[in-house]
Amino acid sequence: NAGVTQTPKFRILKIGQSMTLQCTQDMNHNYMYWYRQDPGMGLKLIYYSVGAGITDKGEVPNGYNVSRSTTEDFPLRLELAAPSQTSVYFCASSYGTGPTYEQYFGPGTRLTVT
Amino acid sequence: AQSVAQPEDQVNVAEGNPLTVKCTYSVSGNPYLFWYVQYPNRGLQFLLKYITGDNLVKGSYGFEAEFNKSQTSFHLKKPSALVSDSALYFCAVRDPPRNTPLVFGKGTRLSVIA
Repeated sequence: NAGVTQTPKFRILKIGQSMTLQCTQDMNHNYMYWYRQDPGMGLKLIYYSVGAGITDKGEVPNGYNVSRSTTEDFPLRLELAAPSQTSVYFCASSYGTGPTYEQYFGPGTRLTVT
Repeated sequence: AQSVAQPEDQVNVAEGNPLTVKCTYSVSGNPYLFWYVQYPNRGLQFLLKYITGDNLVKGSYGFEAEFNKSQTSFHLKKPSALVSDSALYFCAVRDPPRNTPLVFGKGTRLSVIA
């Protein structure tokens, strides 16, 4: 299994541009998540999904959109990039609907908005 | 609301010495607690978790953690540190009655010096 894969690894955007961060998992996990990691701030949850067709907001959803059309894919969309969105973005997944399951993380996407 | 605190931004320890990375939590019910490790330019990796039962849980790479309900703590420990243990460590908590996503601490950077 490849686990959780993310593309691209790095990206530089200009203010106002749009982009989609891709996330795919091959573990047949129900739950998927998007986090951003800022220096010294830990991980903040942006959006999560409990299954195909179902998404919900996390702690910091403003400026982002998600969709979950399949179990495997959970893309994150930035519509109008702002410097405040400069961060490292991690996608994660977990199996099942119970709270005891650990999350598996992708390698991250480092995004710079200038 | 559930929360987790890692009081130390940085922990330095000599190779071969025992290490402790501290974590305290706040939840409304009995917590589910997790430790993750992040190596440079990588995603987070699961180390261990406490769900119920024995207060001392053992995980990957020789790490263990002790759940202390009276002190609301879940400190990560290892009897003998290795240089390769140098990384960023995150504690996370989930409040079972709400079945909400994990809440992560800010992280503690561990440096093991040869």
